[in-house]
Amino acid sequence: GESVGLHLPTLSVQEGDNSIINCAYSNSASDYFIWYKQESGKGPQFIIDIRSNMDKRQGQRVTVLLNKTVKHLSLQIAATQPGDSAVYFCAENLQAGTALIFGKGTTLSVSS
Amino acid sequence: DTGVSQNPRHKITKRGQNVTFRCDPISEHNRLYWYRQTLGQGPEFLTYFQNEAQLEKSRLLSDRFSAERPKGSFSTLEIQRTEQGDSAMYLCASSLGTRDYTFGSGTRLTVV
Repeated sequence: GESVGLHLPTLSVQEGDNSIINCAYSNSASDYFIWYKQESGKGPQFIIDIRSNMDKRQGQRVTVLLNKTVKHLSLQIAATQPGDSAVYFCAENLQAGTALIFGKGTTLSVSS
Repeated sequence: DTGVSQNPRHKITKRGQNVTFRCDPISEHNRLYWYRQTLGQGPEFLTYFQNEAQLEKSRLLSDRFSAERPKGSFSTLEIQRTEQGDSAMYLCASSLGTRDYTFGSGTRLTVV
């Protein structure tokens, strides 16, 4: 079946840097996307979502960009902190509120 | 409300035994989802309920797996005749319609 994927399995940054995590999705019919953060031993934690009728959405220190032309999703984290260290997943679905399709994740490591 | 609650947190069982996991969603959420996650991978969708009705099942949900949500509140996931390949983290999520898609911390199953 179709699924989302992430470009890099790992990303290492210094504290205070801006981080960009990328995701390519394959299903052009997907209309809802979510970024999750997962720490070791815990379930995925919602960060931010975006619907296909938008191309940008901002939260607290995070921004999600959606480029439907090339089917690309990115998560930008401003002023990255050690507490941001985790695995980040993008997820898509064809209809909000149903099954999510996850990629393999990017491990973000933030050093002080 | 304390979020999505899953019990037990960890379960070790011998191959061939049956196991049952419980999920208590956020109280006002009408949709409940089960996912499975293996090490290094993103969660994979298994099934979801809207109230007490099971609306979708993944092909990953073999006939040894059964899920119920009898009163539209908590849900159980049973695995019969467990196999070593069933070892994984089983995650439950809930949402209110299309909003607030929230995951629990999961039940880690180890089949020995």
